[in-house]
Amino acid sequence: DAGITQSPRYKITETGRQVTLMCHQTWSHSYMFWYRQDLGHGLRLIYYSAAADITDKGEVPDGYVVSRSKTENFPLTLESATRSQTSVYFCASSEGLTVGGYTFGSGTRLTVV
Amino acid sequence: AQSVAQPEDQVNVAEGNPLTVKCTYSVSGNPYLFWYVQYPNRGLQFLLKYITGDNLVKGSYGFEAEFNKSQTSFHLKKPSALVSDSALYFCAVRDDIHIAGNMLTFGGGTRLMVKP
Repeated sequence: DAGITQSPRYKITETGRQVTLMCHQTWSHSYMFWYRQDLGHGLRLIYYSAAADITDKGEVPDGYVVSRSKTENFPLTLESATRSQTSVYFCASSEGLTVGGYTFGSGTRLTVV
Repeated sequence: AQSVAQPEDQVNVAEGNPLTVKCTYSVSGNPYLFWYVQYPNRGLQFLLKYITGDNLVKGSYGFEAEFNKSQTSFHLKKPSALVSDSALYFCAVRDDIHIAGNMLTFGGGTRLMVKP
């Protein structure tokens, strides 16, 4: 997964706390995405971004906030964490309006207690 | 709206036997189809894609997939399974009509278990 890194790899937080998951890519890909992976649900899109300062909601955006002030960074913030947000979070990037696929980071396993 | 179905949660196969992981899709226009593999504690890795052209697509690690438009399927196959192929496999689709957002929709995943 060289070129797209997520941090931290593991995070335990308490209910009600704010937590930010980081995503950084070195390819200058236009598109970036946040997915959550849950047993029985596969991958669900939270937010995506088509370029710096352009973001939009995915399938399950409630409780999450994103920003993209720079092309290479796409942080995901849980404003007030809930136990239902316990999940594995994946960041991905894509070159742009092409037919290519995505490149994924290694994921962040978040546990909300 | 676009959607993907992977009807099997798990597929079990003996090493050396052929394997098939099933995927069906639904799109409004023409599909762009992808297969990804996920090993434990790792992100998803690209295996292969179908955009246009030959219905049989060859990808990484000896995998191939067959696009069948009439059956709206894109099954993943390998002639001879290896124990190291054991992983979680995801099918994904994007509709060529909805260009903005360039979003893929993923299936629920199929766990492949290859036994020695």
